[in-house]
Amino acid sequence: EPEVTQTPSHQVTQMGQEVILRCVPISNHLYFYWYRQILGQKVEFLVSFYNNEISEKSEIFDDQFSVERPDGSNFTLKIRSTKLEDSAMYFCASSALGPNSYEQYFGPGTRLTVT
Amino acid sequence: AQTVTQSQPEMSVQEAETVTLSCTYDTSENNYYLFWYKQPPSRQMILVIRQEAYKQQNATENRFSVNFQKAAKSFSLKISDSQLGDTAMYFCAFSMNYGGSQGNLIFGKGTKLSVKP
Repeated sequence: EPEVTQTPSHQVTQMGQEVILRCVPISNHLYFYWYRQILGQKVEFLVSFYNNEISEKSEIFDDQFSVERPDGSNFTLKIRSTKLEDSAMYFCASSALGPNSYEQYFGPGTRLTVT
Repeated sequence: AQTVTQSQPEMSVQEAETVTLSCTYDTSENNYYLFWYKQPPSRQMILVIRQEAYKQQNATENRFSVNFQKAAKSFSLKISDSQLGDTAMYFCAFSMNYGGSQGNLIFGKGTKLSVKP
């Protein structure tokens, strides 16, 4: 069964450093999403991406965040200068076009720890 | 703005029993989806069940069913014949329905369900 994959599973970085979180969505999916979950809290939407551009973003997704689909298979989230409060689990999700587009398939997540 | 509220932070149930998790939401829209996601200790988010707002019939998936009350903006999840593998965090979620495509998911804070042997 196709699945969304994410790398790395755990990333530790120092405050102020740049990190890139990588996702490989399901191959025929066209909508891509990033969510984050601070430990013990709810899952929060960051950004959605379709047709090579951001379609929607939350207020969390400020100028330190960016997304890219560099090569037609990967979907990346870059945090330019990490802060302690960026420590969270980051989930990538993808969905198809058409009648089943309601279902977002989630990856296993990347745990980001900022020290 | 849409909001999703889960008022039960934690619940427990005996194996083989039935449990109901509550969820309420607020929206002024008429066309949307509602979901229940399961997050086991592995932290993978797994879709359990979905409901289209325009459908009056409550969705069911094997042991999982929902009670969708659109006027009351209530969307509860019933798990029948609870199994140890049902132990997880359960999130209620809302998204807009843009003519067949879906907007971003808005999650509640979750209910931690423990199934006891």
